[in-house]
Amino acid sequence: QKEVEQNSGPLSVPEGAIASLNCTYSDRGSQSFFWYRQYSGKSPELIMSIYSNGDKEDGRFTAQLNKASQYVSLLIRDSQPSDSATYLCAVLAIKAAGNKLTFGGGTRVLVKP
Amino acid sequence: DVKVTQSSRYLVKRTGEKVFLECVQDMDHENMFWYRQDPGLGLRLIYFSYDVKMKEKGDIPEGYSVSREKKERFSLILESASTNQTSMYLCASSLGSRGWHSPLHFGNGTRLTVT
Repeated sequence: QKEVEQNSGPLSVPEGAIASLNCTYSDRGSQSFFWYRQYSGKSPELIMSIYSNGDKEDGRFTAQLNKASQYVSLLIRDSQPSDSATYLCAVLAIKAAGNKLTFGGGTRVLVKP
Repeated sequence: DVKVTQSSRYLVKRTGEKVFLECVQDMDHENMFWYRQDPGLGLRLIYFSYDVKMKEKGDIPEGYSVSREKKERFSLILESASTNQTSMYLCASSLGSRGWHSPLHFGNGTRLTVT
């Protein structure tokens, strides 16, 4: 079982619709969760971070965290063609030997006009 | 805004050459990281550093070394480049003491081709 799993996609979404991305993780000690967006040929850029259960909204983006079920999701409302990118989930686990940040493989999102 | 600058966007080297990838950040971040990214394998951590002159191995350190002589600069060294080191290399930095709690800020990446 991978430590952080994402559906690789592509997730095809009509313009204006909601894109829903999921990420599951295996380490129950995980405490910090991040979503990065990566355009083709570019480096990842942070779009959301979430640390406690529940929802966190930032503009058109909403991150949802459920530690009991070990998943974190990202919703993109009113999807735009410019949202077409790969979205990486990253999970930070606090360990005695040292903190560990693990990235998922990413979900590719295609927003069609 | 945090700026993480990688010295080269594209680099072509020959097998056996010693390769230096340089990374500089301008926000006084304690933590710096080197990743490589390959299709189907995602982001993999090579080395990281919590402080000047400190370094720790990541998940795939073989064939690489690092140097952090100044807080703002973190260098990745390929002692003898091989074709399986052809990849996109990403440098990142973050704020925090021995911690990764704060998000990573990535540089633009260096696409290295070893022929």
